[in-house]
Amino acid sequence: DVKVTQSSRYLVKRTGEKVFLECVQDMDHENMFWYRQDPGLGLRLIYFSYDVKMKEKGDIPEGYSVSREKKERFSLILESASTNQTSMYLCASSFGGGLNEKLFFGSGTQLSVL
Amino acid sequence: SQKIEQNSEALNIQEGKTATLTCNYTNYSPAYLQWYRQDPGRGPVFLLLIRENEKEKRKERLKVTFDTTLKQSLFHITASQPADSATYLCALYTGTASKLTFGTGTRLQVTL
Repeated sequence: DVKVTQSSRYLVKRTGEKVFLECVQDMDHENMFWYRQDPGLGLRLIYFSYDVKMKEKGDIPEGYSVSREKKERFSLILESASTNQTSMYLCASSFGGGLNEKLFFGSGTQLSVL
Repeated sequence: SQKIEQNSEALNIQEGKTATLTCNYTNYSPAYLQWYRQDPGRGPVFLLLIRENEKEKRKERLKVTFDTTLKQSLFHITASQPADSATYLCALYTGTASKLTFGTGTRLQVTL
């Protein structure tokens, strides 16, 4: 089975801190994604990557950046955390970029910014 | 802009009954539509994919329909069990091929 591992389940940070969320997948998937999930708003795509060192903006990239130095690892960076970035962050991966590709998700990181 | 709408109110049904969840979309003509299950505090898990030329797809107690004229998918769970209680999300690719967009999900609660 595909395993997508997120480094932390819960994280508490202070406003202005630089925050790193790490994600690793073990199935040699080409594509990796970062979503955030908020009540009433559902899952929203922040960034995705279809290859090493490649990245594309999703629907809500403001305030975030990403890094993909190795195929299996995709990091989400909050340069200066703000309270409106308190959310559940979900990493996902997929084998390729076809329209029938399913996503495999990690368990999520619940980030609280105080 | 593309919208994917699911009933935001929780669906409460009795064990053994059939649960039917609705997914409506606008401003897009997807070739595929997917359904995921999400348990509290966990990431979504893929359940089923249906193609635009498939009217219906089944997997054990699950059935999905896809009406491209109505721009609607229905997700059925027959003989529902308390273990089926979860949030169910529909999703489809919008824009570029790599961008999967999700509905807000419908929470299903199956009681004894």
